[in-house]
Amino acid sequence: RKEVEQDPGPFNVPEGATVAFNCTYSNSASQSFFWYRQDCRKEPKLLMSVYSSGNEDGRFTAQLNRASQYISLLIRDSKLSDSATYLCVVIGRGTALIFGKGTTLSVSS
Amino acid sequence: EAGVAQSPRYKIIEKRQSVAFWCNPISGHATLYWYQQILGQGPKLLIQFQNNGVVDDSQLPKDRFSAERLKGVDSTLKIQPAKLEDSAVYLCASSLLTSYNEQFFGPGTRLTVL
Repeated sequence: RKEVEQDPGPFNVPEGATVAFNCTYSNSASQSFFWYRQDCRKEPKLLMSVYSSGNEDGRFTAQLNRASQYISLLIRDSKLSDSATYLCVVIGRGTALIFGKGTTLSVSS
Repeated sequence: EAGVAQSPRYKIIEKRQSVAFWCNPISGHATLYWYQQILGQGPKLLIQFQNNGVVDDSQLPKDRFSAERLKGVDSTLKIQPAKLEDSAVYLCASSLLTSYNEQFFGPGTRLTVL
């Protein structure tokens, strides 16, 4: 089983739609979780950290379920500029970042 | 604030040749990472430095890959000899102290091995 698994998509949605991405991780000892965004042929950039209590940043909401080892990202009112690959990231053994394969989102007008 | 700098941006070599990549992290960032990102995959950590010491190199193929950060600032990653499966984007990232701090990535070096 891979350490971090994501549905690769692609997710094709119209502007204004709500879309949710899911991610599971295998190491129950993992302590820190993130979503990174990667535009085509660009470097990854931190989108948001994920906390047990859930956290929101504008149109983006991240949730963590430790019991199920499950992380989610919800994007409301999708914009064209949200088109990118969203990478689920877990801090694994030591302090290494473990990345999922990424979920590709395409928002169309 | 200047970001993470990497060079070259692109490199094409033939298999069995050697290649080197350079990274200059954000000023003041103690921790430096090299990742390999194969097309369609997420980045995979190759090596992590804290200042000029190695923290984690468990996924570095040491028979052909080497990396150094001699003065705790710049770093170089070398592949010798290259294989076809080394074709990937090599990303350098830095953070203030540990992975718990946000990592800032450079633009990457896209390597093609023919």
